[in-house]
Amino acid sequence: KNEVEQSPQNLTAQEGEFITINCSYSVGISALHWLQQHPGGGIVSLFMLSSGKKKHGRLIATINIQEKHSSLHITASHPRDSAVYICAVLSYNTDKLIFGTGTRLQVFP
Amino acid sequence: GAVVSQHPSWVICKSGTSVKIECRSLDFQATTMFWYRQFPKQSLMLMATSNEGSKATYEQGVEKDKFLINHASLTLSTLTVTSAHPEDSSFYICSARTGLAGGLRYQETQYFGPGTRLLVL
Repeated sequence: KNEVEQSPQNLTAQEGEFITINCSYSVGISALHWLQQHPGGGIVSLFMLSSGKKKHGRLIATINIQEKHSSLHITASHPRDSAVYICAVLSYNTDKLIFGTGTRLQVFP
Repeated sequence: GAVVSQHPSWVICKSGTSVKIECRSLDFQATTMFWYRQFPKQSLMLMATSNEGSKATYEQGVEKDKFLINHASLTLSTLTVTSAHPEDSSFYICSARTGLAGGLRYQETQYFGPGTRLLVL
């Protein structure tokens, strides 16, 4: 079993839909990152969370430390949101990032 | 936000040659830099961790003589793929960690470079 699990693996949506991507982890963490990787390959850091909730534009990220779970929400999705979204946790023990396998999102007009 | 650059973004080379990839933090000093490798449709794999002025720490299975890392300053780290072979063809991504000196780990954050795609013929 992977230490960081994401669901779903693939997601398609119509423009305007509300999207949720989930991340569960099994290790002790210092922080959790949500990353976005476009087809060209470059990675953008969307959020870093250690507790609670953060919002940036149409993106919202939440984390529940007790349940070892985080969600990334996209409101009013748009085709330009199409990308791979990666959850990565900073392991408290090793001080290294552990990556989920990513969620491939496609938003159609 | 903080920016990390990589150069070159694309490189094609012949088998047996060496390739150097630069990673720079443009508007902050990075306490630590990381080098990752990513194969198609797979997640990032940590290759090594480097701190300025000290030797890099390599992950198990990564050949330190093949992947030379030099962390010359707080804003520059280089990865040299020596005697490259076709199996070294991959997407290489660097990342830089920043934070408050003496601060708590959760106050630091990590920024990623745009990646370098290496094709060895």
